[in-house]
Amino acid sequence: DAGVIQSPRHEVTEMGQEVTLRCKPISGHNSLFWYRQTMMRGLELLIYFNNNVPIDDSGMPEDRFSAKMPNASFSTLKIQPSEPRDSAVYFCASRRLDTDTQYFGPGTRLTVL
Amino acid sequence: RKEVEQDPGPFNVPEGATVAFNCTYSNSASQSFFWYRQDCRKEPKLLMSVYSSGNEDGRFTAQLNRASQYISLLIRDSKLSDSATYLCVVKDSNYQLIWGAGTKLIIKP
Repeated sequence: DAGVIQSPRHEVTEMGQEVTLRCKPISGHNSLFWYRQTMMRGLELLIYFNNNVPIDDSGMPEDRFSAKMPNASFSTLKIQPSEPRDSAVYFCASRRLDTDTQYFGPGTRLTVL
Repeated sequence: RKEVEQDPGPFNVPEGATVAFNCTYSNSASQSFFWYRQDCRKEPKLLMSVYSSGNEDGRFTAQLNRASQYISLLIRDSKLSDSATYLCVVKDSNYQLIWGAGTKLIIKP
């Protein structure tokens, strides 16, 4: 079975550019999470969706970050404009609502120059 | 005080040894507890859930101490492949997963 799919795997961009990260959750999973991981701050929850509806976006750093889930099989995390401090690994994870186990994608390593 | 705290390590341990590390949590109403493992430059993966009575999976034993608000992970007969970062995760009373910063374990031959 395919796991959580994220693209791109690596992204290098310049400050001020728009960045869009993509995620396809595991089929049948109805909860999706976006995390950011850095050495300094560890793993931080940015936002999560249940049944495509955003439930908690309190972890989104600021208005430059936005996330959408137009359907059960696709989500995006957008940063506009990007800044060097956004450099991190961004993980997407999914799970079934009736379980606690989250399955993570391989992550997108973002570098903003 | 952080909601979930772990010793960041690294723990440098010879192959074959037993190693244990703890994780403390601040919310006494926390409901569920987990250990995830994260290999270098990889995603976190569930290692094991932690049950009130303690549980074992092969060389790994997880225990919960609600009175002192900590969970522990014990690894026996450690292997080189056990080298990773171990993340403590706590589900709080709002059903949110709170992640620790991780403990780095290095097994040396």
